[in-house]
Amino acid sequence: ETGVTQTPRHLVMGMTNKKSLKCEQHLGHNAMYWYKQSAKKPLELMFVYNFKEQTENNSVPSRFSPECPNSSHLFLHLHTLQPEDSALYLCASSQDSAGGNTGELFFGEGSRLTVL
Amino acid sequence: AQSVTQPDIHITVSEGASLELRCNYSYGATPYLFWYVQSPGQGLQLLLKYFSGDTLVQGIKGFEAEFKRSQSSFNLRKPSVHWSDAAEYFCAVGARGSGTYKYIFGTGTRLKVLA
Repeated sequence: ETGVTQTPRHLVMGMTNKKSLKCEQHLGHNAMYWYKQSAKKPLELMFVYNFKEQTENNSVPSRFSPECPNSSHLFLHLHTLQPEDSALYLCASSQDSAGGNTGELFFGEGSRLTVL
Repeated sequence: AQSVTQPDIHITVSEGASLELRCNYSYGATPYLFWYVQSPGQGLQLLLKYFSGDTLVQGIKGFEAEFKRSQSSFNLRKPSVHWSDAAEYFCAVGARGSGTYKYIFGTGTRLKVLA
């Protein structure tokens, strides 16, 4: 099993649909992240969870709703999206500790979302 | 606020030529620095990282990077590029914000390799 697995790899949805992206990490990490990658833009940090608690919400619109039931799983629930939300959504994990993080992010392969 | 600048959006080199990708960062404390590579349709893979100690760090696939505090730079180098190195390269800085550790990425440099 690879370190960070994302499903589905590709998703096409209409603006009125509700769908979810799933991320699972098998690395024993305690922090999980959602990033949005759009063409010609830097990776945008969306949400961060540490031990299932959300510690960062980077002013993400409410049509994106994250869920982290445990340290190994992270979801991104999508509803009433806009065409400009079409992007590659990357999940990542890391080992964070109170004394500092000397680790790096481990990324999944991403979920390519197209909103029609 | 922390930021990362990669001034070159595209770089083209011939196979076998040397490569240097530039990265400048802005961060108030000693930074944790990373270089990642992304092939089309894939996630990001770590090439190398700098936390402390020797300012010249070695990574995978023959890459190295040098941390220069005086220039706030962390440039990536490879002495001889292979066609398989064609990809997008991202520099990142690690920082602890109000909560969990955060990673700030540059806009990336897309590398094209000519045969």
